Amino acid sequence: NAGVTQTPKFQVLKTGQSMTLQCAQDMNHNSMYWYRQDPGMGLRLIYYSASEGTTDKGEVPNGYNVSRLNKREFSLRLESAAPSQTSVYFCASSVPGSWETQYFGPGTRLLVL
Amino acid sequence: EDQVTQSPEALRLQEGESSSLNCSYTVSGLRGLFWYRQDPGKGPEFLFTLYSAGEEKEKERLKATLTKKESFLHITAPKPEDSATYLCAVQAEETSGSRLTFGEGTQLTVNP
Repeated sequence: NAGVTQTPKFQVLKTGQSMTLQCAQDMNHNSMYWYRQDPGMGLRLIYYSASEGTTDKGEVPNGYNVSRLNKREFSLRLESAAPSQTSVYFCASSVPGSWETQYFGPGTRLLVL
Repeated sequence: EDQVTQSPEALRLQEGESSSLNCSYTVSGLRGLFWYRQDPGKGPEFLFTLYSAGEEKEKERLKATLTKKESFLHITAPKPEDSATYLCAVQAEETSGSRLTFGEGTQLTVNP
């Protein structure tokens, strides 16, 4: 049981390049999330998916798109990377309910030059 | 707008020196308050969920408490392996998709 896995672990992009961050969970969770973590800002929600086939914007969705490929996988795409998107990106998943706990992956460190 | 403020930003303790971390929150209606531990270069690791004022939960040297305005994470006789950043997050009652609002964290260092 690997929990939440993310690929890649680290990526360097040039401004304007695109890339997709991958996330998968093997806990049979319905809900999945993408956060970014920046110094002095804490963790901020980018997008989330309450269930397979649905996605919703979080606090900072601009510049990102997501795809809930199936129940296990939730990807985050940067179409045209900007230096302001340099950050650490975390994927999380949870079982839906009134008081669900989110479980996080190890993160992807992204540097946009 | 939901807000979470953690203090202090950083805390340095000697091994065995007990202390508390604070999490103050503003939320329209609290569904749950979460504590996470984050080690450098890793994702947050779940510690506790608290649901209502007066509730307490314990795990090894950690005890989390909750009032209507804040939560405390008490660390009793800490060890160097307790060094990490501790994150607090709240979930509001009207939140859709179980969204969490996080504080910026308290970076704890325990010296041997």
